[in-house]
Amino acid sequence: DTEVTQTPKHLVMGMTNKKSLKCEQHMGHRAMYWYKQKAKKPPELMFVYSYEKLSINESVPSRFSPECPNSSLLNLHLHALQPEDSALYLCASSLYSQQGVGYTFGSGTRLTVV
Amino acid sequence: SQQGEEDPQALSIQEGENATMNCSYKTSINNLQWYRQNSGRGLVHLILIRSNEREKHSGRLRVTLDTSKKSSSLLITASRAADTASYFCAFRQGGSEKLVFGKGTKLTVNP
Repeated sequence: DTEVTQTPKHLVMGMTNKKSLKCEQHMGHRAMYWYKQKAKKPPELMFVYSYEKLSINESVPSRFSPECPNSSLLNLHLHALQPEDSALYLCASSLYSQQGVGYTFGSGTRLTVV
Repeated sequence: SQQGEEDPQALSIQEGENATMNCSYKTSINNLQWYRQNSGRGLVHLILIRSNEREKHSGRLRVTLDTSKKSSSLLITASRAADTASYFCAFRQGGSEKLVFGKGTKLTVNP
């Protein structure tokens, strides 16, 4: 298995909803990442998990709450989002967080907040 | 800004032509990577070049790195319509866990 699987592919949620994005990989990668990408912009790092522990939080608002239940799973819990949070949310993984290796990205969740 | 700068922002060529994209960065790096993104979906890792390497090839891709000028270029030879995508450089600063992406080049290959 050489993929990162993200679900759902599309999500529309109201500002009072609570939803979760899920990311899964079975490549034995020990680092996992959440990126946010707005239209016509590069991906921006949100969180880094290394060996299931949060190692980087790029000053992301608390309405985004990451969770890494095990080495294969990464969740992003969403609550009380704003319309400006609408974006493509990308999950990625790599063998380790500091080695010079490429990332494997999922195909993303396109989130629309209404 | 820690972001890399890429140029051109957009490039339109005919099938069979070569496409060159450039990336510049501001701080010292351990390696630089190039990614492709089709239609706003997931990114695909293309190639990684380490700071002690000057040139690397992978199929129709050729990447160069000039650490003295803090710049890299990606050359796609004999382009195909399927190469139409956005291309991003990405790099880590020192031992950082943070991979930072350049602003990207949108390549259109016309059949």
